[in-house]
Amino acid sequence: DTGVSQDPRHKITKRGQNVTFRCDPISEHNRLYWYRQTLGQGPEFLTYFQNEAQLEKSRLLSDRFSAERPKGSFSTLEIQRTEQGDSAMYLCASSLGRWDYEQYFGPGTRLTVT
Amino acid sequence: QKEVEQDPGPLSVPEGAIVSLNCTYSNSAFQYFMWYRQYSRKGPELLMYTYSSGNKEDGRFTAQVDKSSKYISLFIRDSQPSDSATYLCAMTIDSWGKFQFGAGTQVVVTP
Repeated sequence: DTGVSQDPRHKITKRGQNVTFRCDPISEHNRLYWYRQTLGQGPEFLTYFQNEAQLEKSRLLSDRFSAERPKGSFSTLEIQRTEQGDSAMYLCASSLGRWDYEQYFGPGTRLTVT
Repeated sequence: QKEVEQDPGPLSVPEGAIVSLNCTYSNSAFQYFMWYRQYSRKGPELLMYTYSSGNKEDGRFTAQVDKSSKYISLFIRDSQPSDSATYLCAMTIDSWGKFQFGAGTQVVVTP
């Protein structure tokens, strides 16, 4: 399967702990996006990368959140000092870069903060 | 008021019926329009995308865009129980594709 993959698929953590998620985009895609989705809502944009450069961050992405994409391949999203409000599905998407509106999503990482 | 409005449903239809979904938006700068299907606890799956006003057809799916009315639609013909899912509209202003999603419409196709 050459689609977008995310790991882990589900993470349960206690409030105050740090968590890290990984996304592996489609191999030839140079743009990578992170979204957050809560129940009954559509995905909300968090940040995106063009190769290894992080080009925009939403105001939703507080200082507790950090994302990286070393070498322009996989990406990680870290949440420090998790709060219950961080409970959501974290989705990663990638696109080729030329046809930007064709974003392909991974299965998501469901985070539950207890 | 949200930039993209979408009826949350649920929309229940009998198998074989036409499913009609729509989104309205307020920002006239939106240029690209997409429809995604999302099954429960899965990531969104791209169904269709359009750029200009008018109709685009792909198999059982037809997407319509009316930029003058800021209104987009998705029609699903000959609906099947496997079409039961949440349908999300998405749109973007910039060529780099920062998507603005609707909240999604839950569709239930009953056998």
